[in-house]
Amino acid sequence: AQSVTQLGSHVSVSEGALVLLRCNYSSSVPPYLFWYVQYPNQGLQLLLKYTSAATLVKGINGFEAEFKKSETSFHLTKPSAHMSDAAEYFCAVSDVKGGSEKLVFGKGMKLTVNP
Amino acid sequence: NAGVMQNPRHLVRRRGQEARLRCSPMKGHSHVYWYRQLPEEGLKFMVYLQKENIIDESGMPKERFSAEFPKEGPSILRIQQVVRGDSAAYFCASSQGASGNTIYFGEGSWLTVV
Repeated sequence: AQSVTQLGSHVSVSEGALVLLRCNYSSSVPPYLFWYVQYPNQGLQLLLKYTSAATLVKGINGFEAEFKKSETSFHLTKPSAHMSDAAEYFCAVSDVKGGSEKLVFGKGMKLTVNP
Repeated sequence: NAGVMQNPRHLVRRRGQEARLRCSPMKGHSHVYWYRQLPEEGLKFMVYLQKENIIDESGMPKERFSAEFPKEGPSILRIQQVVRGDSAAYFCASSQGASGNTIYFGEGSWLTVV
């Protein structure tokens, strides 16, 4: 079965610093991969997705992620953190089996941005 | 262009009562998913439905939980005889269904069992 690992649960950066959120996946087939962001008491908003086109995917709010098959990784980056980036970030992989397709999520990473 | 609509946003139930959560998918979407988010945990898949059909309920607890997506009207997640452990955020999502299609999430329904 497909799975996603997000090591750690919190990361803290200074405003203007690089944001790097790690995601490793396990998949028996070429995966579809997603990053979602969740602000407090809100739903999930799609940041970006990888669907086997370009390996470097650009998303909203200045985020991007690079698919590296050799490392089974899909890390999320942003060159310069903004206070408004403080939120929880979830990596997810699409699990297709027996006519069903669903997202399998990592445990999430809370990003704190310090002034 | 309305997104995925969930109601109620917040629901308080006493132990033993029933909770009903509603979800209207995005316009043009015929695939609905329910996820549960427990405190300090990620989202866990519960059930995947298409109109009048349950496609995958592998994440649903065996008892007390049921889901439907009728031909007309919203999808309903029903929890009977709620217990404190059911307190969580329940998210509905929808998609057009093709593999790799984006799954869009609603704002969630927060259930508190007292």
